[in-house]
Amino acid sequence: KAGVTQTPRYLIKTRGQQVTLSCSPISGHRSVSWYQQTPGQGLQFLFEYFSETQRNKGNFPGRFSGRQFSNSRSEMNVSTLELGDSALYLCASSTWTGGALDTQYFGPGTRLTVL
Amino acid sequence: SQQGEEDPQALSIQEGENATMNCSYKTSINNLQWYRQNSGRGLVHLILIRSNEREKHSGRLRVTLDTSKKSSSLLITASRAADTASYFCATPTFGNEKLTFGTGTRLTIIP
Repeated sequence: KAGVTQTPRYLIKTRGQQVTLSCSPISGHRSVSWYQQTPGQGLQFLFEYFSETQRNKGNFPGRFSGRQFSNSRSEMNVSTLELGDSALYLCASSTWTGGALDTQYFGPGTRLTVL
Repeated sequence: SQQGEEDPQALSIQEGENATMNCSYKTSINNLQWYRQNSGRGLVHLILIRSNEREKHSGRLRVTLDTSKKSSSLLITASRAADTASYFCATPTFGNEKLTFGTGTRLTIIP
């Protein structure tokens, strides 16, 4: 099976702009999660989608949003970019076993730089 | 917030030696997972250990879990230069709908 893919891999934006990142999960995986990784805060959970429904959201401002399509592909959007949004954004897909999140498989990430 | 705290934060060893990393977590869990990240890249899943397991092996990796102490350890035997990476433990929280990651251990293997 093909792994999790993320596009674009690198992105440079300026403050105030908005950005959309895309994630295609492993075939058959219905859960897609997004994480932000920065040197200062480490890996932080953004949100998780399952069958087009957002089930949980991390502690991020409303500028961060996402959605999932019927084919399980997901997008996340960040509006009004700030310098602090510069980070590696990771997407992960998984299945569920016994009511618990199973192994999460991560994509290569999108490196966002805000100038 | 970080569920897991990893120890040590950084570790340098000679190639061929064994590397041990520890992870402590705060709440009860269904499973604990270990991931590897090469510099600036995505996370690679290494091993998942369920709460009713005490030890698990995968190749040169050995993971232990002590739920009474809320801790886990990852042992990499006969280390290789390619093992140089950051290693993270992660636990499902919030009703098992997200993973919370530890702070990570930066492992450097000296050839």
